[in-house]
Amino acid sequence: QVQLQESGPGLVKASETLSLTCSVSGDSISFYNWAWIRQPAGKGLEWIGRTHSSGSTSYNSALKSRVNVSVDKSKNHFSLTLSSVTAADTAVYYCARVLEGLFGGSSGWFDTWGQGIVVTVS
Amino acid sequence: QSVLTQPPSASGTPGQRVTISCSGSRSNIGNRTVNWYQQLPGTAPKLLIYRNIQRPLGVPDRFSGSKSGTSASLAISGLQSEDEADYYCSAWDDSLNGWVFGGGTKLTVL
Repeated sequence: QVQLQESGPGLVKASETLSLTCSVSGDSISFYNWAWIRQPAGKGLEWIGRTHSSGSTSYNSALKSRVNVSVDKSKNHFSLTLSSVTAADTAVYYCARVLEGLFGGSSGWFDTWGQGIVVTVS
Repeated sequence: QSVLTQPPSASGTPGQRVTISCSGSRSNIGNRTVNWYQQLPGTAPKLLIYRNIQRPLGVPDRFSGSKSGTSASLAISGLQSEDEADYYCSAWDDSLNGWVFGGGTKLTVL
């Protein structure tokens, strides 16, 4: 059974770059799309970006100028960088696996989630 | 302001049936399948319903989903205290070229 685990600094200074990694165990990272989602305290979920081992990516248009998501197949993990952070980027950050592609009217779905990592921008 | 609209709260007593609505538009729910996630307090979201009506292994059949036009609904029958959680609908949006979520519905079991 696939498991995901986020890691990275829990505290980032304003204007600097947030960097997180999601380690994947129990399956190969090569077979799926992978996503980052965040949730400010007491608020709802916001999709950040998606990547595939082929190198294809897509990003939330509201964050696109500051976000990069990439895969490292050799380490079976994928990463998120978010530049020029502000207090508004303070949130719990989740990584997730995406099942099914966006063909035939499907939305795909996030079937497995990491436990989340709290990131505070000071 | 979320792209998908959900009521902020819902409630019911044990054994009751409750429904949670999710309203969108042609570019998301109208053209795409809908997924639902359950988030118990202090935990990560968990997939509850996918492809409008499908339940992952392990999800009780008390949970069911439906979709009509640009709206979807989650129904929970035989409400139990452990169902107290936040529920989120989600779909891909063809105009925004990304996944969108509802604002979430906090379900209280009275």
